[in-house]
Amino acid sequence: DAKTTQPTSMDCAEGRAANLPCNHSTISGNEYVYWYRQIHSQGPQYIIHGLKNNETNEMASLIITEDRKSSTLILPHATLRDTAVYYCIVRSASNTGKLIFGQGTTLQVKP
Amino acid sequence: NAGVTQTPKFRVLKTGQSMTLLCAQDMNHEYMYWYRQDPGMGLRLIHYSVGEGTTAKGEVPDGYNVSRLKKQNFLLGLESAAPSQTSVYFCASSWTSGGPSPKTQYFGPGTRLLVL
Repeated sequence: DAKTTQPTSMDCAEGRAANLPCNHSTISGNEYVYWYRQIHSQGPQYIIHGLKNNETNEMASLIITEDRKSSTLILPHATLRDTAVYYCIVRSASNTGKLIFGQGTTLQVKP
Repeated sequence: NAGVTQTPKFRVLKTGQSMTLLCAQDMNHEYMYWYRQDPGMGLRLIHYSVGEGTTAKGEVPDGYNVSRLKKQNFLLGLESAAPSQTSVYFCASSWTSGGPSPKTQYFGPGTRLLVL
């Protein structure tokens, strides 16, 4: 699976959109971009995933560049409960499903 | 549905003691995983299972054993606990990887283990 690079930390004002970038320049054609988050002391929580097209669900939007070498997770209206570590993970369907977690981005939502 | 549950939630062991962590899922998932997370670090895969009766090693398998006798349960064993195994342990499960899309993993709440 391709390696990902994320900023170590970011701040966001409550009510504003939080935009979390992820670089995955070595991604291959059959690899998906997944986002998970981990709120303090809890198990990781799935947020969203995508292959080529932009995706949106009730939690967030995922924007993938046309060359697929980077992506951005968007939380449209961040709340204090969105404070967490966000992990960008690239994986293929053929890897038996193993997730390789990096350091992630610590998002601090401030009032 | 309870999803993925883990027992116990917290445990203190002395060096050399043994224990078993239990993970249970009620989603009929084929794949199950055990991860550990040390302070300030991401999760690392210990062992995983792609179906009942099967297990495989992950990134950090040394010092641990696993068993998957029933599809819904995945056990993680520490035969002789060491202080280096102090960590938070997370279990996860997912559908098979069949098809074009990798399947989402669902995580349990974690077991906090302290080895003195």
